[in-house]
Amino acid sequence: ETGVTQTPRHLVMGMTNKKSLKCEQHLGHNAMYWYKQSAKKPLELMFVYSLEERVENNSVPSRFSPECPNSSHLFLHLHTLQPEDSALYLCASSQAPGGYEQYFGPGTRLTVT
Amino acid sequence: QQQVKQSPQSLIVQKGGISIINCAYENTAFDYFPWYQQFPGKGPALLIAIRPDVSEKKEGRFTISFNKSAKQFSLHIMDSQPGDSATYFCAASNRGDYKLSFGAGTTVTVRA
Repeated sequence: ETGVTQTPRHLVMGMTNKKSLKCEQHLGHNAMYWYKQSAKKPLELMFVYSLEERVENNSVPSRFSPECPNSSHLFLHLHTLQPEDSALYLCASSQAPGGYEQYFGPGTRLTVT
Repeated sequence: QQQVKQSPQSLIVQKGGISIINCAYENTAFDYFPWYQQFPGKGPALLIAIRPDVSEKKEGRFTISFNKSAKQFSLHIMDSQPGDSATYFCAASNRGDYKLSFGAGTTVTVRA
């Protein structure tokens, strides 16, 4: 595997389910990010981890819970989501500090029913 | 408040033509301006980037023009090809800040 990988690629979940998204980066980077991409809107930064510490939490609802156990792995735990949370969730990584060049994974297409 | 405004929302160009996408920003602390290319079903991929100490950067058929006084920058795709059909995002950030502020994206369709 190379670059940034995300699993699963597609996820359908009910509003009462609990699921997790996984991201893994193979670039030796120290910072990882979660973004939300909705149609016709700019990418929304959700969370940033640098050296495994959360450095940014962009007013994201508590039904989204990130976890970064090491510099190569990032999770997004989901529970009691709403239909408006349906979107493409993208993971990215960069070399800290600065984070200029961010490299994205292919995303997880999430549908909340 | 959207920090980077991008236009147009979409454009159609004939094969061999020039595609031009424009972005404007307000934050004068921004010092890094990348462009990302995204194909359907894929994540955004870094295409080309510029810093404000130069007015133009060219990589193959892709050129960024930067106007610091006007706080504007643009992407030119020369000799557009059907394989260039994608959504393009401009972005901006400042040194030491992890955040990239993205434009809303431009969907480019190149007709053969």
